[in-house]
Amino acid sequence: EDKVVQSPLSLVVHEGDTVTLNCSYEVTNFRSLLWYKQEKKAPTFLFMLTSSGIEKKSGRLSSILDKKELSSILNITATQTGDSAIYLCAVAGWNNDMRFGAGTRLTVKP
Amino acid sequence: ETGVTQSPTHLIKTRGQQVTLRCSSQSGHNTVSWYQQALGQGPQFIFQYYREEENGRGNFPPRFSGLQFPNYSSELNVNALELDDSALYLCASSPGQGWETQYFGPGTRLLVL
Repeated sequence: EDKVVQSPLSLVVHEGDTVTLNCSYEVTNFRSLLWYKQEKKAPTFLFMLTSSGIEKKSGRLSSILDKKELSSILNITATQTGDSAIYLCAVAGWNNDMRFGAGTRLTVKP
Repeated sequence: ETGVTQSPTHLIKTRGQQVTLRCSSQSGHNTVSWYQQALGQGPQFIFQYYREEENGRGNFPPRFSGLQFPNYSSELNVNALELDDSALYLCASSPGQGWETQYFGPGTRLLVL
């Protein structure tokens, strides 16, 4: 059965720390892997990674896709309290579905 | 602000009733997907519509059905509500190509008693 697993489930750090969030997947018709940030209700798009774009960076956030290991990491450097949120990893398939992990709840303390 | 709106924001129903949730997509976004997010879980894919046709479906029973209209709005209908249907329901719209870069609405929180 297809699945997306994120770790850790929760993480507490202090401002200025660097964090690494993990996502592993077993999906038979992989099309792309996406990262979202969910603060209250609506997830907001961070990155999309595909076979032709395995590394993305935006400011303090970066992400890498390892297609051999079927995994991805999301790095956040110099964390701020505003980074506190649930980070969701999702895998899109060629059959037009999208499977999400349970998310990692990140708490950044001042 | 994603330009995607959903109504209502909250809803309480009793078991066995039927419910209709609404989503208004960004203009020009031909693809809409619906998700169910239970407390403490990631969203689960219900189905996707592209140009008013169902284009993909997750592991949900037939009592979950949908419609997409030419004016970029869509509906999620759930019949014979069960207690486990209590969740946040999210819709997400995207342009026809590259549908994965979705813009989510704020969701409708449904409570079934």
